[in-house]
This record gives sequence, C-alpha cells and structure tokens, in this order.
Amino acid sequence: DVKVTQSSRYLVKRTGEKVFLECVQDMDHENMFWYRQDPGLGLRLIYFSYDVKMKEKGDIPEGYSVSREKKERFSLILESASTNQTSMYLCASSSAGGNQPQHFGDGTRLSIL
Amino acid sequence: QKEVEQDPGPLSVPEGAIVSLNCTYSNSAFQYFMWYRQYSRKGPELLMYTYSSGNKEDGRFTAQVDKSSKYISLFIRDSQPSDSATYLCAMDNQGGKLIFGQGTELSVKP
Repeated sequence: DVKVTQSSRYLVKRTGEKVFLECVQDMDHENMFWYRQDPGLGLRLIYFSYDVKMKEKGDIPEGYSVSREKKERFSLILESASTNQTSMYLCASSSAGGNQPQHFGDGTRLSIL
Repeated sequence: QKEVEQDPGPLSVPEGAIVSLNCTYSNSAFQYFMWYRQYSRKGPELLMYTYSSGNKEDGRFTAQVDKSSKYISLFIRDSQPSDSATYLCAMDNQGGKLIFGQGTELSVKP
C-alpha cells in the first residue's frame, strides 16, 4: 500500500513565524502535491512537483513556498505565517503522467495564533 | 462557474438505504474520474477510479459516468454507519492535476 506520511498531525504556531510542513512518500512516486482544505472551499492546490527540484504553482501559492530536494520528500514552507493560513494541509503523491490517482496523507491541522 | 460541482449536503440516511452521490462537470476533456472517501480528521482515501463512460462495481459501491451529460455518480448499497464520511469526486485534467468537488457529507444513522 502507498504510504504518505505527514510529520505532524497538529501544529500551533504564531503569526510571523516561518513554518515547515514535511511530507514523505514510500512508493517512489514522481508527483507530489500540497493542498489546503477549508470548510465550504474544498481542496485547493497550493504547489506541486513533477520531479526532484521542480515545482509548479497551484491555484493559491501566495504566502507559500516548497522544496523538493529528494524524490520521496516534499516540504511546504509558510514564509511568515498569518492567521488566514490556519487550515488543514494535505500532502499527496502519484505516479508519473496524467490520469493517475493521488494518494493522500492524513493531514496536518495547522493553527496560527 | 466551477469546473466541478458537488452538493455539499449534509445527507442523512437510515442504515440499509441506497445512497446516491453526484457530481457535474463542465470540461469535456476530463477522461478519468475518481471518488474519494474522507473520514473525520483523516486524509482522503481513493475509493473508485473509472475511465470514460460506463459503470464500475466494487462490492457495495458502484461508480457511474455519463460523459454525454457530464455527470458522475457513486451509489452505495446497503449503507452502513461506517460509511458515514465526506465523499469527494475528482477528475483529471490530463495535466497530472486533479480537480475536486467540494465533497458531500454523508451520515448513515443506525
């Protein structure tokens, strides 16, 4: 079974802090994704990556950056956390190419105070 | 207009009922269609994965795609309290990204 592991289930940070969310997958997937999920807004794509050291902006990249130094690891960075970034963050991975199902981690519930 | 529309519910049914969950979409280029189930405080898990029009059955679950109407459905037979979750439809835009519906919250009452 595909396993996508997110480093923290719950995280509380303060405004202005730099926040790192880590994600690791064990299926040698080429593609990795970061989403945030908010009530009434569904899943929104922040950033994705098709290969090591590659990144593409999703629908809501503002205030975020990502890093992919190794194939299995994809990090989401909040450069200067703000209260409107309080959300559930979900990482996913999939095999190369289109039309591939994505496999999700259990999410990190991030609160910015 | 959103590319994928899904009624957020909530939908409440008695145990044993047949449940019908639906999504409509606007992009005729979508070829692959997926249903995810998300329990509270967990990530979405892939439930069904179908290609183009037609039906696919897996146990109590049936996924149906009607490309001519741009309409997909997920049917759950003999629903159980353990089916209580949020169900999200998703479609591939052939660029490797999935487009998700908002999710329908389902509650199956014993």
